[in-house]
Amino acid sequence: KNQVEQSPQSLIILEGKNCTLQCNYTVSPFSNLRWYKQDTGRGPVSLTIMTFSENTKSNGRYTATLDADTKQSSLHITASQLSDSASYICVVSPQRNAGNMLTFGGGTRLMVKP
Amino acid sequence: DAGVIQSPRHEVTEMGQEVTLRCKPISGHNSLFWYRQTMMRGLELLIYFNNNVPIDDSGMPEDRFSAKMPNASFSTLKIQPSEPRDSAVYFCASSLAGQTEAFFGQGTRLTVV
Repeated sequence: KNQVEQSPQSLIILEGKNCTLQCNYTVSPFSNLRWYKQDTGRGPVSLTIMTFSENTKSNGRYTATLDADTKQSSLHITASQLSDSASYICVVSPQRNAGNMLTFGGGTRLMVKP
Repeated sequence: DAGVIQSPRHEVTEMGQEVTLRCKPISGHNSLFWYRQTMMRGLELLIYFNNNVPIDDSGMPEDRFSAKMPNASFSTLKIQPSEPRDSAVYFCASSLAGQTEAFFGQGTRLTVV
């Protein structure tokens, strides 16, 4: 069964600190992995996409990594800001043209405190 | 573009009543998804349309749930009769066929009392 597991479930950090969120998946075959950010009361928004051949990708203070061999991804947030408080959801697609086959992780709820 | 538009944003209804959720996808997108999000189960795909045709409704929990897409710019998700366990946030998302990025609306928070 295709699964996406995220850890930790929740995290509290102080403003300015760094943090790393983890995502492990068993989806096969693998096409791509996205990290979504979901602010409270809003829908998820894509932050970054990782394909099989990519190891790392940055989007501002967000850096995603992918190890396709161990089926692990991480999202590193540098110099956190209060606006980073949100849920971060890891989403894996098993094949290229399969918008309806996305497997969602349960998310990590991040709270950044001043 | 205004993005995916859902209405209402919040709905409170009594058990047994009919509930209709509405969605307007992004113009030009030909795939539309209905998701349900709860604390316990996270995001779950309910049904998926491609070019207004339902392709996969295996996620629809039971016959009380139905979805329609009469045209490319409008879809509804109906629950009849509603039950307290249907309380959740319902998201509509759209994308271009063949793309794996889904663009989500702001969701409808449904509370059934």
